[in-house]
Amino acid sequence: GQQVMQIPQYQHVQEGEDFTTYCNSSTTLSNIQWYKQRPGGHPVFLIQLVKSGEVKKQKRLTFQFGEAKKNSSLHITATQTTDVGTYFCAGISGTASKLTFGTGTRLQVTL
Amino acid sequence: NAGVTQTPKFQVLKTGQSMTLQCAQDMNHNSMYWYRQDPGMGLRLIYYSASEGTTDKGEVPNGYNVSRLNKREFSLRLESAAPSQTSVYFCASTVHIIEATEAFFGQGTRLTVV
Repeated sequence: GQQVMQIPQYQHVQEGEDFTTYCNSSTTLSNIQWYKQRPGGHPVFLIQLVKSGEVKKQKRLTFQFGEAKKNSSLHITATQTTDVGTYFCAGISGTASKLTFGTGTRLQVTL
Repeated sequence: NAGVTQTPKFQVLKTGQSMTLQCAQDMNHNSMYWYRQDPGMGLRLIYYSASEGTTDKGEVPNGYNVSRLNKREFSLRLESAAPSQTSVYFCASTVHIIEATEAFFGQGTRLTVV
């Protein structure tokens, strides 16, 4: 079945440093979504990418969808303590019709 | 709008007991999902329903059953709870599964099986 892996599992940065998480799918994705989950909370939708090679920005966050539509990345510039949480990618592959989540990357930001 | 509402928020069960987790959405979404999240882990799909009247297995369906009662409600039943089912359970919904639109999540149900 479809597997979606993310690296790293955990990253600890100083406030102001950059952060990147990578998402890799075992199968080609129809699109990719990114979610953020704060500690003790539920996942909240951030963005969706559909086109091969697509790049989208949200303030300090930059999202990319790979050319082969099997990988994606989320880059945060100049992290802040409010960025703390776990970031998940998610996608649907072919006719599977299941929204599969990646393993997640937990980000810790300290002053 | 309440969005996605899950009940209960917390539950402690003894091994072998049964219970049903309730989920309702008021956004007129077609597709609904049940995920479990173990400590420090990602979200694993238990069951999903692409539309009213249909349900399908996800990655980890064993030990669970679901019922899509109507368009609004999607319940998850544990027939005989086991300690391995201790987890946080999330219900989610989207407009349409094929187009993979934004998923809205409930607040979660924290289940402990002792």
